[in-house]
Amino acid sequence: GENVEQHPSTLSVQEGDSAVIKCTYSDSASNYFPWYKQELGKRPQLIIDIRSNVGEKKDQRIAVTLNKTAKHFSLHITETQPEDSAVYFCAASISTNAGKSTFGDGTTLTVKP
Amino acid sequence: DVKVTQSSRYLVKRTGEKVFLECVQDMDHENMFWYRQDPGLGLRLIYFSYDVKMKEKGDIPEGYSVSREKKERFSLILESASTNQTSMYLCASRTNYGYTFGSGTRLTVV
Repeated sequence: GENVEQHPSTLSVQEGDSAVIKCTYSDSASNYFPWYKQELGKRPQLIIDIRSNVGEKKDQRIAVTLNKTAKHFSLHITETQPEDSAVYFCAASISTNAGKSTFGDGTTLTVKP
Repeated sequence: DVKVTQSSRYLVKRTGEKVFLECVQDMDHENMFWYRQDPGLGLRLIYFSYDVKMKEKGDIPEGYSVSREKKERFSLILESASTNQTSMYLCASRTNYGYTFGSGTRLTVV
């Protein structure tokens, strides 16, 4: 089955700096890659996603890039703010397989004011 | 907005008890999922369902079963709870834009 590895497990940045979280996946059939943000005590929420026919997607301060050949994708957060502090999960799924997602282990991002 | 509701936020059960975790979604979605979340292990898939009465095992189904008698409701059953099933359980419903998660049930088995 699919295996997703996520790095780093913890990341600490100064407010205003950029943060990058990287994931690799093993199943070349995976074609949908969402990212979730989970604030302390809350449910994970989808923040951005990318499909395999696209190399990059941006939404304000966050962006995701996908390299299908290398089977890796990354989350980029620019101009970080304290409210970006959370656990971030990447996931990979095959849209035809009921859409079940395999998740990375999560990255705890801390943004210091 | 899709709403996914888990009936209990916190549960404490004794070893050997049969435990039911309930999840309801309000958007007529076909695909529903149960994950457990443990520190450092991310979210691991227990079971999923792609239609009424249809279910498939995820990555860690041992010790669990599920029931989907109605489209909106997906139940996770711990046949005989054990302490290693102490965890946060998250239900999710799938849209074309990823999952919508419930708020989670933190289960403690003593």
